[in-house]
Amino acid sequence: DQQVKQNSPSLSVQEGRISILNCDYTNSMFDYFLWYKKYPAEGPTFLISISSIKDKNEDGRFTVFLNKSAKHLSLHIVPSQPGDSAVYFCAASGGSGGSNYKLTFGKGTLLTVNP
Amino acid sequence: DTGVSQDPRHKITKRGQNVTFRCDPISEHNRLYWYRQTLGQGPEFLTYFQNEAQLEKSRLLSDRFSAERPKGSFSTLEIQRTEQGDSAMYLCASSLGTGLMSTQYFGPGTRLTVL
Repeated sequence: DQQVKQNSPSLSVQEGRISILNCDYTNSMFDYFLWYKKYPAEGPTFLISISSIKDKNEDGRFTVFLNKSAKHLSLHIVPSQPGDSAVYFCAASGGSGGSNYKLTFGKGTLLTVNP
Repeated sequence: DTGVSQDPRHKITKRGQNVTFRCDPISEHNRLYWYRQTLGQGPEFLTYFQNEAQLEKSRLLSDRFSAERPKGSFSTLEIQRTEQGDSAMYLCASSLGTGLMSTQYFGPGTRLTVL
């Protein structure tokens, strides 16, 4: 069963506009959420995170929103730039015992920012 | 401050051969993780070390896989009697902290192709 879901395989936006990437999760034990960006042939690069005690975290052009009741989080990128074009992964951790530490990832969303 | 490094970046082997990958975490990071990523999927957790102790192993890690982290520094992941299904990107990550919410930083990965 997929505990972290990114239902949009791809998203295309114009440079300067807002990009909104969505993520849903099913495991109510998750309490820490992260977004990673990945270019081809490279490892994931950490972007931003949020703990379950918050509903918003902002870092420059990146903002993550968490709606615990809906088990939904989103990443907003404003303004979008062509260099943001990459695959974005949503990840979550939490639970009992050792499961606290491992990350569970979604399948990713390919963002394309057009000049 | 150097990031997580992995060696080799690419490995092509024939079915039935043994392969070993190395990961050097960020200095002072006490936690080290191995993940595997196949095409169209997000990274999947394989195993986790806190210092030199291997604390959790995924059911994905069959008996042919073994990981070590001697002295709590670098780690190796060995796959014995490789199969074509082992072809994937093997990612290493490290994190610092004693709390539950510590950000994992990934290396560039080792791309394994089993012919």
